Amino acid sequence: DAGVIQSPRHEVTEMGQEVTLRCKPISGHNSLFWYRQTMMRGLELLIYFNNNVPIDDSGMPEDRFSAKMPNASFSTLKIQPSEPRDSAVYFCASTLEGSAKAFFGQGTRLTVV
Amino acid sequence: AQSVTQLDSHVSVSEGTPVLLRCNYSSSYSPSLFWYVQHPNKGLQLLLKYTSAATLVKGINGFEAEFKKSETSFHLTKPSAHMSDAAEYFCVVTMGGSSNTGKLIFGQGTTLQVKP
Repeated sequence: DAGVIQSPRHEVTEMGQEVTLRCKPISGHNSLFWYRQTMMRGLELLIYFNNNVPIDDSGMPEDRFSAKMPNASFSTLKIQPSEPRDSAVYFCASTLEGSAKAFFGQGTRLTVV
Repeated sequence: AQSVTQLDSHVSVSEGTPVLLRCNYSSSYSPSLFWYVQHPNKGLQLLLKYTSAATLVKGINGFEAEFKKSETSFHLTKPSAHMSDAAEYFCVVTMGGSSNTGKLIFGQGTTLQVKP
């Protein structure tokens, strides 16, 4: 397996634009996590899905952020409209339900100018 | 280039005995180093971090880690394991100094099993 795949690796966009980050979890994993990492706040859990259903989205910072998991092999994190303070590295991770063994993608570095 | 290697994918200890989770890193610059823990169905929790201050870092739940530059290591220890310590542990590095890009590099994780 290729591991958790995130795309794009880097994204630079202008303030106000819509940004979509993508994640393909490891085949067979049924829990998926989105994290945001910044210098100021460290690593924050944004949302996690179990069997494609959002279980805990309390970390989503505001309504501009939304996440979907239409099927077991794909998830998106969307920011609309984007703001400079959204600049961060966004990580996706997947696990098997009940297991703590998480596998992380390489992250997407987002820069909003 | 930066990298981090967790030397054991799985560690098993008995309750009440010491815990040692090993981590080695590679970094061209002064790194910042972290240990995170993940319990099933929960997100990552920060245990402790090293950012160029004291080399012996104390964290939550009785864990500590020592930064050893000569050995490029940042091993996590705890004197006495508790059943609730059973989890997945990640060693993480980020490049430090003026070239700090802020991006975390994760180790592959170590599963800690605690036996009664």
